[in-house]
Amino acid sequence: EAGVAQSPRYKIIEKRQSVAFWCNPISGHATLYWYQQILGQGPKLLIQFQNNGVVDDSQLPKDRFSAERLKGVDSTLKIQPAKLEDSAVYLCASSPKSGGTYEQYFGPGTRLTVT
Amino acid sequence: GENVEQHPSTLSVQEGDSAVIKCTYSDSASNYFPWYKQELGKGPQLIIDIRSNVGEKKDQRIAVTLNKTAKHFSLHITETQPEDSAVYFCAASIPGTYKYIFGTGTRLKVLA
Repeated sequence: EAGVAQSPRYKIIEKRQSVAFWCNPISGHATLYWYQQILGQGPKLLIQFQNNGVVDDSQLPKDRFSAERLKGVDSTLKIQPAKLEDSAVYLCASSPKSGGTYEQYFGPGTRLTVT
Repeated sequence: GENVEQHPSTLSVQEGDSAVIKCTYSDSASNYFPWYKQELGKGPQLIIDIRSNVGEKKDQRIAVTLNKTAKHFSLHITETQPEDSAVYFCAASIPGTYKYIFGTGTRLKVLA
């Protein structure tokens, strides 16, 4: 079974520029999460999708961050405009059942550096 | 809301020795506690988990114990090997959801 795929793996941008990250979850996984992991810290949840609907985006800085999950499969996370403090690893995770399980499986992440 | 504290932040052990990482959580209604291993440049990998109706769970060299009264849980790795070197994160579920709050991580170094 293929794991969670993310791209790009690395991105360097200047502040005030825009950036987008892509995630392809494990096939058949209904729930998808985006996390932000700042160096030396644990992952922090940004947004949770179930199928193509948003379940929780309370921690997403909506003035600059947006996310979508079209057709309930792939997802993109966008930052516009980026700030220095957005430098982090952005992790995507998916869960196998529609709200029926706790296990989350993570992708390799995208390391964003904002200069 | 839920808060998870993790100790120690770094841990060095000799190969073959045991390693113990401890976490405490704040919400007594949390009922799921996973442990993740994160190697350099990779995403977190689930290594073991425990639910609140169980006090201990073991999988080969790793085990997790849960004390609901004290609201703490621990990861135990026996017979450590160099490939166990990584950052380990504990997490606790947010009651009523399938979401987690993660601890701050423990960097484990196994010295050959």
